[in-house]
Amino acid sequence: QQQVKQSPQSLIVQKGGISIINCAYENTAFDYFPWYQQFPGKGPALLIAIRPDVSEKKEGRFTISFNKSAKQFSLHIMDSQPGDSATYFCAALSGGSYIPTFGRGTSLIVHP
Amino acid sequence: EAQVTQNPRYLITVTGKKLTVTCSQNMNHEYMSWYRQDPGLGLRQIYYSMNVEVTDKGDVPEGYKVSRKEKRNFPLILESPSPNQTSLYFCASSPLSAGRNEKLFFGSGTQLSVL
Repeated sequence: QQQVKQSPQSLIVQKGGISIINCAYENTAFDYFPWYQQFPGKGPALLIAIRPDVSEKKEGRFTISFNKSAKQFSLHIMDSQPGDSATYFCAALSGGSYIPTFGRGTSLIVHP
Repeated sequence: EAQVTQNPRYLITVTGKKLTVTCSQNMNHEYMSWYRQDPGLGLRQIYYSMNVEVTDKGDVPEGYKVSRKEKRNFPLILESPSPNQTSLYFCASSPLSAGRNEKLFFGSGTQLSVL
């Protein structure tokens, strides 16, 4: 059973556009929602994270929007750049668990 | 430089031949873990460790063993590898902030092929 559903599986945007990746979850015990960025040949790296007590968190061009009632959260990449081309994973963690649940990943390609 | 180091980077082996993938971190993190990444399935946790001599199963532990004899090292052992263990493996560590493993630092991965 997939506990965190991520979409789309792949995404192509033009340079300067907005990239949007969505995740939905079922487990209401999740209370920490990180996003990881993975470049080819590298391990994932923490990009940005949010807790459910806020609806939005912004770090530079990257923003997480969180909708607790809908059990959804999304990553927005403003002014997308070719250097943002990577695979993005959303994840969720619940209190008392040390096993993060990852989405299946989104391959983002930003064309110059 | 703070990092998680995995070795080897690539490994080809045959069914049943025991192998070990090493993982070492230099950040004094309490928490370490192993993941496998398969196309279309994302990252799935195999085992994790909260500290020396403390290990526990993740979501997909079958066919794997781990040990944590030193804080910095967390090797992954496949005693009798099978072709369905062909995958990309990642080791990760995290400080425990308020008891939570919220910031994972990943190694560069080990691509394992079992023939």
